[in-house]
Amino acid sequence: TQLLEQSPQFLSIQEGENLTVYCNSSSVFSSLQWYRQEPGEGPVLLVTVVTGGEVKKLKRLTFQFGDARKDSSLHITAAQPGDTGLYLCAGAKNYQLIWGAGTKLIIKP
Amino acid sequence: GAGVSQSPRYKVAKRGQDVALRCDPISGHVSLFWYQQALGQGPEFLTYFQNEAQLDKSGLPSDRFFAERPEGSVSTLKIQRTQQEDSAVYLCASSSDDSYNSPLHFGNGTRLTVT
Repeated sequence: TQLLEQSPQFLSIQEGENLTVYCNSSSVFSSLQWYRQEPGEGPVLLVTVVTGGEVKKLKRLTFQFGDARKDSSLHITAAQPGDTGLYLCAGAKNYQLIWGAGTKLIIKP
Repeated sequence: GAGVSQSPRYKVAKRGQDVALRCDPISGHVSLFWYQQALGQGPEFLTYFQNEAQLDKSGLPSDRFFAERPEGSVSTLKIQRTQQEDSAVYLCASSSDDSYNSPLHFGNGTRLTVT
């Protein structure tokens, strides 16, 4: 079974702190997508990483794809209450999109 | 509309009833996916269409679940003889081509509650 392990499952921190969310697998992916989902809405794409070792930045969010394209991380600097949500990673392999179980992030003001 | 539209937004069904969930993808999008999502969890794949062809239905949990996309645009997910374990949010997503590397555009889902 192909799995994409996402950690932590839940994270509650104070505004201004930094955090990192991880997605790990034993499988190699052709690309990896990160989504953010708010209650009552569908997931919204944040970024797609394609090349091993690739780093992409989106304001205070930094995404990295592992050199071997088996893992990825999302780092948030100086978290804001507006960053609260469910963060999902999804890896593309062959004809499938493999989803992590999500990290529920709460940023307290 | 500009995005993926799903209806109804909420559906309450008594156990044993049949339900039909509708998805209007972004116009021109080739690929359409149905997912099931439990509260606070990631989406679980149900089925995939490329235009009107259902290329993968390996995620459908039982033969009570049926999906169609007859003209390659609107899709319907039908659940027959609903059970309590079918209660979940059903998400539809579309993408512009047939590559799994392409980003998915999700609707806001249909929340199904089976009582």
